Amino acid sequence: GDSVTQMEGPVTLSEEACLTINCTYTATGYPSLFWYVQYPGEGLQLLLKATKADDKGSNKGFEATYRKETTSFHLEKGSVQVSDSAVYFCALTQTWLTGGGNKLTFGTGTQLKVEL
Amino acid sequence: DGGITQSPKYLFRKEGQNVTLSCEQNLNHDAMYWYRQDPGQGLRLIYYSQIVNDFQKGDIAEGYSVSREKKESFPLTVTSAQKNPTAFYLCASSMAGRSNQPQHFGDGTRLSIL
Repeated sequence: GDSVTQMEGPVTLSEEACLTINCTYTATGYPSLFWYVQYPGEGLQLLLKATKADDKGSNKGFEATYRKETTSFHLEKGSVQVSDSAVYFCALTQTWLTGGGNKLTFGTGTQLKVEL
Repeated sequence: DGGITQSPKYLFRKEGQNVTLSCEQNLNHDAMYWYRQDPGQGLRLIYYSQIVNDFQKGDIAEGYSVSREKKESFPLTVTSAQKNPTAFYLCASSMAGRSNQPQHFGDGTRLSIL
């Protein structure tokens, strides 16, 4: 079945440092890929997405490129802020559920802590 | 603003008790989902519904039940058969029929055992 593997956290960075959170996936066919962010005590918010190979998703300074040859979707940001501290989830959707609808397969999440 | 509203934010369950978590959306989405989140783990799918009066089991449906009587509402009942209910529960919705559409999430309900 489909699966997503993320680097384990927590990742601790100083403000203005560069961020990379690795994400690789296993899926047949052509999944759509997503990064979601979860702030403490809240639900998940969509950060960015890419729906086909070589697409680059971007939002709020974060970027990720859909690499089919390496089955990867690494999240990057050139300069992190304290406000970026959160848990980041990589996810894919492809498998059609019985009766329709898309099933999200999540990684286990990577906690990011940004310090002054 | 359109969105998903989950209530209550915190919920406590006694032994042998059923509890119901509310999820309402005004995004006009056909598909709705319930996930369970445990510390250090990703989200796991409990139930989902594509249309009114229809729903399907996800990966961990045992001990849970749902209903979908209205398009905008998808309540989840955690029954006494669920022996380890302590978790963070998230409701989501999406447009149906298109796998590249993202799911939109509520702010979650944290369920604990008294």
